[in-house]
Amino acid sequence: AQSVTQLGSHVSVSEGALVLLRCNYSSSVPPYLFWYVQYPNQGLQLLLKYTTGATLVKGINGFEAEFKKSETSFHLTKPSAHMSDAAEYFCAVSDSSGGYNKLIFGAGTRLAVHP
Amino acid sequence: DGGITQSPKYLFRKEGQNVTLSCEQNLNHDAMYWYRQDPGQGLRLIYYSQIVNDFQKGDIAEGYSVSREKKESFPLTVTSAQKNPTAFYLCASTGTRVNEQFFGPGTRLTVL
Repeated sequence: AQSVTQLGSHVSVSEGALVLLRCNYSSSVPPYLFWYVQYPNQGLQLLLKYTTGATLVKGINGFEAEFKKSETSFHLTKPSAHMSDAAEYFCAVSDSSGGYNKLIFGAGTRLAVHP
Repeated sequence: DGGITQSPKYLFRKEGQNVTLSCEQNLNHDAMYWYRQDPGQGLRLIYYSQIVNDFQKGDIAEGYSVSREKKESFPLTVTSAQKNPTAFYLCASTGTRVNEQFFGPGTRLTVL
């Protein structure tokens, strides 16, 4: 069965610093991978997705992620953090086992950005 | 604008009462999902439905029930059998093969 592991439940960076949020997955088939962002008391918003093709995927708000099959990773990065990036981030993998489509989510990483 | 609506935003319930959370979408999506979110535990799948009049239990279905009588609507009932119902509930839908899910704004349920 598919699974997702997000390393680090809390990450803190300075404004302007590199953001790196780690995600590793396990999948028996070529995966579809997603990063979502959640602001307090709101729903999840899609940041970016990998389906097929180019392994470096660009998303909204300056985020990007690289699919590395050999490392089973899909880490999320942003070159320069902004205060508005403070939120919770979820990595997810698509699971179609049993003939039903579901998303398997990681436990989430809370990003704090300090001045 | 197309999207998913959930109501109410905040809901308070007394112990022993059933309560129904609404989820409506106008995206023409076939599949809909209900998740429960607790601090530090990410999202856990309660129920999902791929088509009208069909739904499947997720990982934590005990104490919950759903119906899918219309494509646009997927209400969730939290029954008195749910021992710890205080949580943030999220509804989602998808219409794509890759299962990119779109989320509603959520309902925060508090049991008094």
